[in-house]
Amino acid sequence: GQNIDQPTEMTATEGAIVQINCTYQTSGFNGLFWYQQHAGEAPTFLSYNVLDGLEEKGRFSSFLSRSKGYSYLLLKELQMKDSASYLCAVMDSNYQLIWGAGTKLIIKP
Amino acid sequence: DTAVSQTPKYLVTQMGNDKSIKCEQNLGHDTMYWYKQDSKKFLKIMFSYNNKELIINETVPNRFSPKSPDKAHLNLHINSLELGDSAVYFCASSQGLAGANVLTFGAGSRLTVL
Repeated sequence: GQNIDQPTEMTATEGAIVQINCTYQTSGFNGLFWYQQHAGEAPTFLSYNVLDGLEEKGRFSSFLSRSKGYSYLLLKELQMKDSASYLCAVMDSNYQLIWGAGTKLIIKP
Repeated sequence: DTAVSQTPKYLVTQMGNDKSIKCEQNLGHDTMYWYKQDSKKFLKIMFSYNNKELIINETVPNRFSPKSPDKAHLNLHINSLELGDSAVYFCASSQGLAGANVLTFGAGSRLTVL
């Protein structure tokens, strides 16, 4: 079966750095997405990786290793507004998105 | 101007009733989706339409019927509501099906079945 694993919850301190990991086992691979979802709101797109390596976008970076079935989302200079759930999703060989359950990130002052 | 709008935002109803959720997007996208997010926060695809044609129809009870009158609209009708249907339903749209297929989500419709 297809599976996306990510930690259920993480806690970090304002101003610090946090890395949220995602491992996947899917039927084929056509890209990996990270979305942010604040409580009670819709998911919003953060990043897309289809080739190995690091994609940087401001305070957020996303890394992909296809051979290891692994990605991480790196958040720097954490702000209170970064408290949210972060969803990892992989597009399989049929171009269907397989979603993880999300990692709830709690930022403490 | 809201990109993907869905109504109603909240829906509380009794078991056995029939209800509809409407969705409209003004992004010019040709693909629209319905997702269900349960209490465990998993996002599960229910249906996907591309240019008004059904392309994804996951294992969803046939009490759920999507309708796409045009590529900017995708409505969801639910018959004979059950307690397990309580969830947040998200409509989404994207341009195309493959590649960097970024989804734009609506704000969600929280359905509570009593």
